[in-house]
Amino acid sequence: DVKVTQSSRYLVKRTGEKVFLECVQDMDHENMFWYRQDPGLGLRLIYFSYDVKMKEKGDIPEGYSVSREKKERFSLILESASTNQTSMYLCASSRGSSYNEQFFGPGTRLTVL
Amino acid sequence: AQKVTQAQTEISVVEKEDVTLDCVYETRDTTYYLFWYKQPPSGELVFLIRRNSFDEQNEISGRYSWNFQKSTSSFNFTITASQVVDSAVYFCALSGALQHASGGSYIPTFGRGTSLIVHP
Repeated sequence: DVKVTQSSRYLVKRTGEKVFLECVQDMDHENMFWYRQDPGLGLRLIYFSYDVKMKEKGDIPEGYSVSREKKERFSLILESASTNQTSMYLCASSRGSSYNEQFFGPGTRLTVL
Repeated sequence: AQKVTQAQTEISVVEKEDVTLDCVYETRDTTYYLFWYKQPPSGELVFLIRRNSFDEQNEISGRYSWNFQKSTSSFNFTITASQVVDSAVYFCALSGALQHASGGSYIPTFGRGTSLIVHP
C-alpha cells in the first residue's frame, strides 16, 4: 500500500522556536509538495520540489524553508515559528508528469503558542 | 495563471438526496488535467478522478459521476443517493501540461473546497 507519512499528527510549539516537519514517501515519486490548509482558504502551496535538492517557491513561502536531501524525504522548516503559522500542514507526492495525481499524508496540525 | 473556483462553500443535504458540486476553472494551457479529491473528517485527501482536456466524456463510477464541459470551463461532480459516509470536503484541482519551468502551470492549483454534510 503506497504511503506518504508525516512525522507528527499534532505539534505544539512556542513562538520563536525552530520547527521541523518531516514527510516521507515510499513510492519513488519525483515531486513532493508542502501545503497549509486553513478554514475558508483551501490548500495553499508553500513549496514544491521536483527532484533531490531542487525546490520552487509556492504561493506563500514567507517564513518557511524546505530541504530535500533524499528523494523520499521532504522537510518543511519554520525558522522562527509565529502564531500566524498555526495551521494544518499537508505533504503530498506525485510522479513527475502533471498528469499524475497527488498522494497526501495525514497532515500535521501545528499550534504555535 | 490558472484558477479554480468552487463557489459552494458548504452544502447540506439529507441522505438519499442527489447533490452536485460545482467546479469552474481558468487556464491558458491547451492541454491540462482536472482532478477531484475527497478529504473525509480523518483529514487525508484521497484522489477520486482525473480528466484530461481532450476527453470530454462523462464518467460514472457507482454513485459518483463527473460532467466535464470545456465550453463552460466546468468539471462538476454529482453524488447520487448521497450517504452519510459521503460527508467530506471535496476539492477540485487543475494542472497544466508544461514541463518543469519556473512559474509553470504544471503545479496543481486547488479550489477552496466544498464541505458536504449529509444528514441521516
